[in-house]
Amino acid sequence: SQQGEEDPQALSIQEGENATMNCSYKTSINNLQWYRQNSGRGLVHLILIRSNEREKHSGRLRVTLDTSKKSSSLLITASRAADTASYFCATGPRQLTFGSGTQLTVLP
Amino acid sequence: ETGVTQSPTHLIKTRGQQVTLRCSSQSGHNTVSWYQQALGQGPQFIFQYYREEENGRGNFPPRFSGLQFPNYSSELNVNALELDDSALYLCASSLDGQRENTEAFFGQGTRLTVV
Repeated sequence: SQQGEEDPQALSIQEGENATMNCSYKTSINNLQWYRQNSGRGLVHLILIRSNEREKHSGRLRVTLDTSKKSSSLLITASRAADTASYFCATGPRQLTFGSGTQLTVLP
Repeated sequence: ETGVTQSPTHLIKTRGQQVTLRCSSQSGHNTVSWYQQALGQGPQFIFQYYREEENGRGNFPPRFSGLQFPNYSSELNVNALELDDSALYLCASSLDGQRENTEAFFGQGTRLTVV
């Protein structure tokens, strides 16, 4: 069963705009991770946020975590065509449970 | 590049056959996990190996089996292949499967097609 569910399922924006994706999960977590997947290839680890953290930044990425609402968001600022990919949230602590992903399309 | 390599990259098998997929973990990592990703879905956890022992299993039948070697590389074996086994199989390597809050690094996957 899927622990995390991303929203929206698909998102299309213009280059330079910000993209926000949301993830909701069902049970208590130790951490939440975000991954990117380009067109059926392997997953690239983006960021891990622990349950005692509320916000984390990495380059153009900002992740927030609200454990009271069991939700997380991934913000990509100043998006580029190369950001076009599927984005997944996954919850730990050890084996990862993934959502169905958000397909982001950034139009040049 | 994550340092996690999988082979082969693509494979076509006939229903009923058996298949072995291979994964080399990142240097220094003692834990390997396997995931199955059907088209349009998120990855589903198959099982994890930590220091050559199975360390958790998802909801997959016994015809999915695995192995981890002393160098921490791993194999995924699937017997009696079914059409629904067609998927991208992903291997993930992590530093220590007994620790929480460790990042998992994925290989590029093996695309298995069962005809």
